[in-house]
Amino acid sequence: DGGITQSPKYLFRKEGQNVTLSCEQNLNHDAMYWYRQDPGQGLRLIYYSQIVNDFQKGDIAEGYSVSREKKESFPLTVTSAQKNPTAFYLCASSAITGGDTQYFGPGTRLTVL
Amino acid sequence: AQSVTQPDIHITVSEGASLELRCNYSYGATPYLFWYVQSPGQGLQLLLKYFSGDTLVQGIKGFEAEFKRSQSSFNLRKPSVHWSDAAEYFCAVGPYNNNDMRFGAGTRLTVKP
Repeated sequence: DGGITQSPKYLFRKEGQNVTLSCEQNLNHDAMYWYRQDPGQGLRLIYYSQIVNDFQKGDIAEGYSVSREKKESFPLTVTSAQKNPTAFYLCASSAITGGDTQYFGPGTRLTVL
Repeated sequence: AQSVTQPDIHITVSEGASLELRCNYSYGATPYLFWYVQSPGQGLQLLLKYFSGDTLVQGIKGFEAEFKRSQSSFNLRKPSVHWSDAAEYFCAVGPYNNNDMRFGAGTRLTVKP
């Protein structure tokens, strides 16, 4: 089955540690996205990538980093510079950018203790 | 500024009653419009989308939405709500900066027996 996988579903880390969230897609999509979701705030774009080896900052990129070394993978690192990292993180992909339909993974809930 | 507004944070309807969830947007041209649904702790699932053509769009699970350019709205409707429809619903608009979508803050739907 084609789709997007995110792992792990739940992640706990101590304050000050970097943590990497995995996102893999087998839809052969060019574009991939990372969103952060907080209660009552909807989804906010962290980073997106239109193509391998290229990515752009979204609205709330500070304290996060990404890489896109393979078409199917777009890992997100939450660094110790992120002030409030506890949130639900969603990865998405689309065939192209520019308003195409985005398909979402199941999400990772990160809790920083 | 381009934005998406979902005026209702929380709506409660009785099972079997009709439903309308509101979405208003601010956008410089004719946008692409989407409705997604999210169950607790899950990713987002696409319900329907409007790109062009017929302004009444049919989606999955018996949902429909109507694009009204004059009102800058894209309201989601369902004639008879089922208990399984209880979830959070997000309206999205794109493309934004030619590369991504913007999401409303969401409307949480509760279904009373």
